[in-house]
Amino acid sequence: DAKTTQPPSMDCAEGRAANLPCNHSTISGNEYVYWYRQIHSQGPQYIIHGLKNNETNEMASLIITEDRKSSTLILPHATLRDTAVYYCIVRGTGTASKLTFGTGTRLQVTL
Amino acid sequence: GAVVSQHPSWVICKSGTSVKIECRSLDFQATTMFWYRQFPKQSLMLMATSNEGSKATYEQGVEKDKFLINHASLTLSTLTVTSAHPEDSSFYICSARDMGRGTGELFFGEGSRLTVL
Repeated sequence: DAKTTQPPSMDCAEGRAANLPCNHSTISGNEYVYWYRQIHSQGPQYIIHGLKNNETNEMASLIITEDRKSSTLILPHATLRDTAVYYCIVRGTGTASKLTFGTGTRLQVTL
Repeated sequence: GAVVSQHPSWVICKSGTSVKIECRSLDFQATTMFWYRQFPKQSLMLMATSNEGSKATYEQGVEKDKFLINHASLTLSTLTVTSAHPEDSSFYICSARDMGRGTGELFFGEGSRLTVL
């Protein structure tokens, strides 16, 4: 699975949009971009995933560049509850395809 | 969304004893489950892939005789930490793939915190 690079930490004011970048320059054609987050002492929570088109759900939006070498997770109106470590992961879709976690971005939402 | 449940959520045991952690997919069947461990302030590290009806596949450096994995049914995988020692104290997390959804998203359990005295 392709490796990803994320900034180690970011701050965001409550109510503002949080934009979390991720580089995945070695992604291959059949690999998806997945985003998960982990709130302290809990299991990771699925947020969103995409292949090449931008995606939006009730939690977030995912913007993938045309060359697919990077993406941005957008939380449109961050709240204190969004404080967590956010992981960007790329993987294939085979049954045995694994999720390999990098170091993620620690997002701190402040008042 | 899909639910994956782990039990127990926390356990304390004496050194030398064995501890079993269960991982259940509550509303879907999972032929494949994954076990991770996480030390404080670190990322999740994949330990093994649990396959229903066959042997688990372990990642490099993970002792298969130390961490016994059994995937007895399509909704249950168990991880047994045998002869536990203080260095095995960690947060153990399982995940299961819901192949009924699109590209088979992975959903995670709440985690099980093991403390070995």
